[in-house]
Amino acid sequence: AQSVTQLDSHVSVSEGTPVLLRCNYSSSYSPSLFWYVQHPNKGLQLLLKYTSAATLVKGINGFEAEFKKSETSFHLTKPSAHMSDAAEYFCVVRSGDMRFGAGTRLTVKP
Amino acid sequence: NAGVTQTPKFRVLKTGQSMTLLCAQDMNHEYMYWYRQDPGMGLRLIHYSVGEGTTAKGEVPDGYNVSRLKKQNFLLGLESAAPSQTSVYFCASSWGLGNEIFGPGTRLTVL
Repeated sequence: AQSVTQLDSHVSVSEGTPVLLRCNYSSSYSPSLFWYVQHPNKGLQLLLKYTSAATLVKGINGFEAEFKKSETSFHLTKPSAHMSDAAEYFCVVRSGDMRFGAGTRLTVKP
Repeated sequence: NAGVTQTPKFRVLKTGQSMTLLCAQDMNHEYMYWYRQDPGMGLRLIHYSVGEGTTAKGEVPDGYNVSRLKKQNFLLGLESAAPSQTSVYFCASSWGLGNEIFGPGTRLTVL
């Protein structure tokens, strides 16, 4: 069985400050892990993915995530938030089919 | 190259009515998926297909049927709509696991 827990349903940061979106996963096998972003009334866009290569994964728009097996975590970070980063972010685990987290809404204040 | 398209974008149904949602992709992908998105629950897989003529159940298949008669199309049917099926439906396609490209979504309301 596999599952994913996004630890924060809402994160609010000021523009120019760091972003941290937390994700813990559970999987019986070595999983693949993903972060997707969804802007209002839009589909989902892949930010980055981990598939058992380097544990630090770089994605689009300056985002990166680190796979930590000992902590079963895959937290998403960005050094400096931009207004355009305001969106819903989903952590996803795959070991077979894909399981989505409930999402974290990121608000960026001017 | 249109990617993944979904038809219609919006629909309102009455309880008991039927309808079909169409997903089309022009990338020659083998895998296609139907998800529903509900507030606070992320996306949940309804059905998926690993190739033309094949379908399989996902996490929440009850009340839905699917067909993949052509490689580029994946149809999602609701035979007798219920208010619990009010949701946003997303289709996705991929070459293989973990490279899904998502469509723009269909917002369905069942009264």
